[in-house]
Parts: sequence; C-alpha cells; structure tokens
Amino acid sequence: ELKVEQNPLFLSMQEGKNYTIYCNYSTTSDRLYWYRQDPGKSLESLFVLLSNGAVKQEGRLMASLDTKARLSTLHITAAVHDLSATYFCAVDNGLGGSQGNLIFGKGTKLSVKP
Amino acid sequence: SAVISQKPSRDICQRGTSLTIQCQVDSQVTMMFWYRQQPGQSLTLIATANQGSEATYESGFVIDKFPISRPNLTFSTLTVSNMSPEDSSIYLCSGRDGFNEKLFFGSGTQLSVL
Repeated sequence: ELKVEQNPLFLSMQEGKNYTIYCNYSTTSDRLYWYRQDPGKSLESLFVLLSNGAVKQEGRLMASLDTKARLSTLHITAAVHDLSATYFCAVDNGLGGSQGNLIFGKGTKLSVKP
Repeated sequence: SAVISQKPSRDICQRGTSLTIQCQVDSQVTMMFWYRQQPGQSLTLIATANQGSEATYESGFVIDKFPISRPNLTFSTLTVSNMSPEDSSIYLCSGRDGFNEKLFFGSGTQLSVL
C-alpha cells in the first residue's frame, strides 16, 4: 500500500527566509505532484515531476524528485506572505493502469510572517 | 489547461436527504475522479468516474452511498445519499488532462449536514 508522508505539517517562517518541505513515499511511482490550497479554496497545481532528478522552478518555489530515495522536496526561497497556504504532495498510485489515483500527503500548513 | 466548474459551491443539508454535485469540464479529459476532504484533513479518493460505465470505487466507499455518473467525457455527477453529519466535508472533482499529465481540480463543494 502506497503511503505518502510530508513533513513538517506546520511551518511558521519569517519573510525572507528559506525552507524546505519534504515528501517521502513508500513504493515505486513515476509521478509526483505538488499542490497549493488556500483556505476555503480548491487545489492549485504547482508542479508535476515525472522522472528521477526532475527539478522544476516557479518563482520562489522549486521542486525536485529523487525516485531512488522516494523523496521529493519543495524549496521555498526568500519567503513572502503571499506564499502562506497549505501545500500538498501527491503520488500517483498507478495501480492497474489507474492513472490519476493520487495518494495525498497530510499537507504542510505554511505561515509566513513579517 | 482544462477548467473544471463544480456546483453547488456549498450547501447545508438535513440528515437523511441526498445532494447531487455536478462537475463540468471545458474540454475533454481522459479521466475524472471524485475526492473527499474532511475538515482539516488531506484528500481521499472516492472513485474514478468511468465514461459510460459504472464508477470504480475505492475501499470504504460504495455505490449505494455515493452513486456517480459520467455520461460523456466532460461531465460527471456525484450524489451523497442518505446524508449524516459524518458526510460533512469538501467534495472535489478532478480531471486528468491527457496532454500534459496534470490533474486539475474543481472549485469544490463544501457540504454541511445538520
């Protein structure tokens, strides 16, 4: 059974600082996703990582994937208040070709303070 | 990128009644899914909505409680039947864009059962 663990679950940062959110998963998968969710809102797709060593960057966020270690990271550079949200990683279960069956981590609630 | 419209956005329902949630995608998507997000929790997959056939349900979810339809490639409904307060959650539909691997989410339906 695929399990996805995120840490930390809560993160309070000061503006301008850097930090990393970690996402570990328990079995082989070839797709990993990062999403952002603002309070009361739906999920916004941030990154899709499809291969070992994949690195994607958008603004102050950078995501990477190490399929051998079954680890993805979401790095935040010089945080700003607008990044405050809950961030989820999700891994494609891929059972029986059922693509899109995503197993989600519990989420990291990020709060960026001035 | 596909845009998914979901309605209603929220509803307050009485115990024992049923609610049907609709999800419309602005373009054809290869697969559609329904997720549940209980308060303060992560997302759990309810079922895969199969076009023209019965949905594929995940462990813990049954058709009698969550009947799903998908008559074509752009539309799906989820019914929450015989509701109880434990069904109070956010329900989200999602679709996979076959062209770029992303999984998009609708805006969600916040359901409260009294």
